[in-house]
Amino acid sequence: DSGVTQTPKHLITATGQRVTLRCSPRSGDLSVYWYQQSLDQGLQFLIHYYNGEERAKGNILERFSAQQFPDLHSELNLSSLELGDSALYFCASSVLAGVTGELFFGEGSRLTVL
Amino acid sequence: GQQVMQIPQYQHVQEGEDFTTYCNSSTTLSNIQWYKQRPGGHPVFLIQLVKSGEVKKQKRLTFQFGEAKKNSSLHITATQTTDVGTYFCAGVNTGNQFYFGTGTSLTVIP
Repeated sequence: DSGVTQTPKHLITATGQRVTLRCSPRSGDLSVYWYQQSLDQGLQFLIHYYNGEERAKGNILERFSAQQFPDLHSELNLSSLELGDSALYFCASSVLAGVTGELFFGEGSRLTVL
Repeated sequence: GQQVMQIPQYQHVQEGEDFTTYCNSSTTLSNIQWYKQRPGGHPVFLIQLVKSGEVKKQKRLTFQFGEAKKNSSLHITATQTTDVGTYFCAGVNTGNQFYFGTGTSLTVIP
């Protein structure tokens, strides 16, 4: 158990819909990263938040947005869903922005768009 | 943009054979980390390398960081079925951003 909690674990929805994925980082971790992993693919970096502020953006589509709340949990919003958005979405947390520590990954949210 | 390439993409080995995966970054890294993802699981941290030319060992796993801090390798000696999974390197830049390699999927044939 990494201590990172992601909900929901599985989500099936239709094209054009909007979903929200939630991540609770490990207690005390200020950094939250979101990654997308398509079938048999690598980990595509989406976005990084530190203590409520956006730190970096990766290959995140304009239809996607995220935020980190004062209690440090984060949400990834995916809208106008397309078939190609079907993937496993991982959240990972880390302790400090200025110090490189390991990433602790949640178990992921598997999104299926039909 | 920053890219981290990893080869090979897939590797099938007989149990007991050795295995190596290589990671190359387009830019100099602050440090590099390695993760293992078991089938159906999530990535789990293995190790971090920080110094130029650093070599670290964990039992049958040997990790190296290149002198120029742009490449790295993971070598597994005498693979076991428990080594099955996808191994990712993650290059970390000075801005503390993680760039994951494409991963190497290891299959160990008993």
